[in-house]
Amino acid sequence: NAGVTQTPKFQVLKTGQSMTLQCAQDMNHEYMSWYRQDPGMGLRLIHYSVGAGITDQGEVPNGYNVSRSTTEDFPLRLLSAAPSQTSVYFCASSKTVNTEAFFGQGTRLTVV
Amino acid sequence: ILNVEQSPQSLHVQEGDSTNFTCSFPSSNFYALHWYRWETAKSPEALFVMTLNGDEKKKGRISATLNTKEGYSYLYIKGSQPEDSATYLCASPGGNWGSNYQLIWGAGTKLIIKP
Repeated sequence: NAGVTQTPKFQVLKTGQSMTLQCAQDMNHEYMSWYRQDPGMGLRLIHYSVGAGITDQGEVPNGYNVSRSTTEDFPLRLLSAAPSQTSVYFCASSKTVNTEAFFGQGTRLTVV
Repeated sequence: ILNVEQSPQSLHVQEGDSTNFTCSFPSSNFYALHWYRWETAKSPEALFVMTLNGDEKKKGRISATLNTKEGYSYLYIKGSQPEDSATYLCASPGGNWGSNYQLIWGAGTKLIIKP
């Protein structure tokens, strides 16, 4: 019973490097989203998808790309890492935005 | 600016006492109100999703109410236990980008239970 699988759990990047955070769910959920969580702040939406082939920007999309080629997978790409992207990232999925969300384990990213 | 607000920011409660905290959200174009529990070093887990005005939901010692007309929800914990220590988040679809497909999150209420 995997639920939402998010990898890696920890990552250190140098400024300017690129990387992809992986997110996969096995619940046939249409709605998937990526958040970042910074100290003293709530979860902030980076990008979301309402189904395969459909993505849109959230509150803080700059510096990140997403794609949704299948229902199961929703990877988040950091194009050129910056220290301001040091954060904890969460992937989540749900049937719709009005139903309970299931979260991945989180990725603690440090950009030096 | 449409925001989801939670109060208080933090709360210290004696073990065995009951407590409650508040989530305020935009009452216009309401779709749903989510409550999540977030323990340190773990991921948020859903407690309730409520959609109807006057809705009340319960899970063990935790319950929630919803008032969509005035834009608030209360989360209640009866007889607090040390394992209730966590941050409680609420969220509602909508926001100030004109989309109802985006969950807007409050900053959370951090609950600390003192033995």
